[in-house]
Amino acid sequence: EAQVTQNPRYLITVTGKKLTVTCSHNMNHEYMSWYRQDPGLGLRQIYYSMNVEVTDKGDVPEGYKVSRKEKRNFPLILESPSPNQTSLYFCASSLTFSTSTDTQYFGPGTRLTVL
Amino acid sequence: AQSVTQLDSHVSVSEGTPVLLRCNYSSSYSPSLFWYVQHPNKGLQLLLKYTSAATLVKGINGFEAEFKKSETSFHLTKPSAHMSDAAEYFCVVSAATGRRALTFGSGTRLQVQP
Repeated sequence: EAQVTQNPRYLITVTGKKLTVTCSHNMNHEYMSWYRQDPGLGLRQIYYSMNVEVTDKGDVPEGYKVSRKEKRNFPLILESPSPNQTSLYFCASSLTFSTSTDTQYFGPGTRLTVL
Repeated sequence: AQSVTQLDSHVSVSEGTPVLLRCNYSSSYSPSLFWYVQHPNKGLQLLLKYTSAATLVKGINGFEAEFKKSETSFHLTKPSAHMSDAAEYFCVVSAATGRRALTFGSGTRLQVQP
């Protein structure tokens, strides 16, 4: 079964304490991306990766880092979290970067609270 | 540039009555359009997608949407609402070029009354 997993699912942390949210898929997917969901704003793309070692900024990249060392994994790193990064985060993957045709598979979400 | 406007933030219907969730889009390119559903505390599930084939698209759970280029609309409909349809629905547009990001609408929360 096609699956995207994220860990942790819930996280409460404090300002400035570095954290990593992991994302992995079990398919032969090249394209991966991170979104954050905030009330009334829908989902906004943070970073994306078209393939291994290829990453680029989305609409709201400030305060985030990513890496893509392996095809299956795409961790999201918050070096110094701040309260405005409190949000619901989704990882997504698809077979290729052709998001217009390839189905995007979304992870279950990670609810992050930064105090 | 591309954008999506969902015209209603909340829609309330009675069980067994039709559902209409409205979506307008703008895109510099020939767009692909999607509807996703998010049930409470769940991830996003693809309902249906339009990718320049038939303008009337059928999806899962009895939903369908019609692509109308002249009106730049992609409204989601269902003939008869079920209690299990209560969820948040997102209209999404994707460009065929550039960084390929999905652009999400702000969402429509569908409430189904018994």
